Amino acid sequence: GNSVTQMEGPVTLSEEAFLTINCTYTATGYPSLFWYVQYPGEGLQLLLKATKADDKGSNKGFEATYRKETTSFHLEKGSVQVSDSAVYFCALITGGGNKLTFGTGTQLKVEL
Amino acid sequence: GAVVSQHPSRVICKSGTSVKIECRSLDFQATTMFWYRQFPKQSLMLMATSNEGSKATYEQGVEKDKFLINHASLTLSTLTVTSAHPEDSSFYICSASYQDRDSYEQYFGPGTRLTVT
Repeated sequence: GNSVTQMEGPVTLSEEAFLTINCTYTATGYPSLFWYVQYPGEGLQLLLKATKADDKGSNKGFEATYRKETTSFHLEKGSVQVSDSAVYFCALITGGGNKLTFGTGTQLKVEL
Repeated sequence: GAVVSQHPSRVICKSGTSVKIECRSLDFQATTMFWYRQFPKQSLMLMATSNEGSKATYEQGVEKDKFLINHASLTLSTLTVTSAHPEDSSFYICSASYQDRDSYEQYFGPGTRLTVT
């Protein structure tokens, strides 16, 4: 079956620090990969996605590259802000399916 | 991106009563909607998949008689928590899927916080 593994949080960083949140996956076939962000008390918002190997998704300064050889989709940002404090979920969906498989989420706290 | 709304955003009810949560796709037609439950500081747990005009498909361990799902139109799905108990208190999130030739995405609602007293 499909599964997504994320690094455990919380991750606490100072403003302007470099962010990496690791995500690896196991899937049958060739999945599409997603990062979602959840701000406190809200639902999930799609942050970025990649649909095939070597694709790079990017949005709001965040990036993630679909690495088939390492089955990874690590989220990175060069300089985080306090407003980036949220929970980040890595997820995948396999071709022909319609159910997202989520990781457990990683809480990010950015401090001044 | 597409917009999915949920109503109400917060609800408090007494044990034994029923609560209905609405999920609407505002600017697209969604053949499939999903209902999730999220416990504090945990990931989303898929409860059921709802297709317009047909019965919902429930995940293993989810009581279909307790969590009634209706998908009456391409823009509206409802989740009714029947005979609610304090252990049903949770954050419920819906999503609606959109698929075209090139991509597939799920758009999430803002969630509904249910508290059962």
